[in-house]
Amino acid sequence: QKEVEQNSGPLSVPEGAIASLNCTYSDRGSQSFFWYRQYSGKSPELIMFIYSNGDKEDGRFTAQLNKASQYVSLLIRDSQPSDSATYLCALFSGNTPLVFGKGTRLSVIA
Amino acid sequence: DAGVIQSPRHEVTEMGQEVTLRCKPISGHNSLFWYRQTMMRGLELLIYFNNNVPIDDSGMPEDRFSAKMPNASFSTLKIQPSEPRDSAVYFCASSESTRNQPQHFGDGTRLSIL
Repeated sequence: QKEVEQNSGPLSVPEGAIASLNCTYSDRGSQSFFWYRQYSGKSPELIMFIYSNGDKEDGRFTAQLNKASQYVSLLIRDSQPSDSATYLCALFSGNTPLVFGKGTRLSVIA
Repeated sequence: DAGVIQSPRHEVTEMGQEVTLRCKPISGHNSLFWYRQTMMRGLELLIYFNNNVPIDDSGMPEDRFSAKMPNASFSTLKIQPSEPRDSAVYFCASSESTRNQPQHFGDGTRLSIL
């Protein structure tokens, strides 16, 4: 059973701070990793993907992947109230399609 | 570009009725996925297709659920007969392939079975 673990939260951060969202996974053979954002009542929206160890930056978002430690994280710099949402970690492992975590709820306090 | 299109957006029906959910994937995408999302269980993969062929339906909860993809631009998820525990949001997603490509989600169908 391939598992993706996320702290359900809520993670509360003040406006302007860095939000750090973490995800661990069980299958060491996992290959590609995705972060989705889901606003309440809406569908998941892809915001980042990362395939290689290290950091990948896109605007205020940075994805970090450490395959040896089997974790992937998402940093959101200068957090805004509009970033308040549930963030889903997802990954490919073996021949299965995307496996999703249950998500971390982020609340950015103005 | 048009995204994944699902219909209806909302469905309220009585227990025992047949429910049909529809999905049009992004043009050019070869893979289509049906998910169900609830507070308790999160996002669950029900079934997925590659090139219109069902690849894995192990996530389909019961024989009451069935899915088809008659062509590259259309898929249906059917529940017959429906039960109150089927109430959830059902998402359709598509991607360029089943491997290592991100999935793009439709807006979902919010299903309520009374």
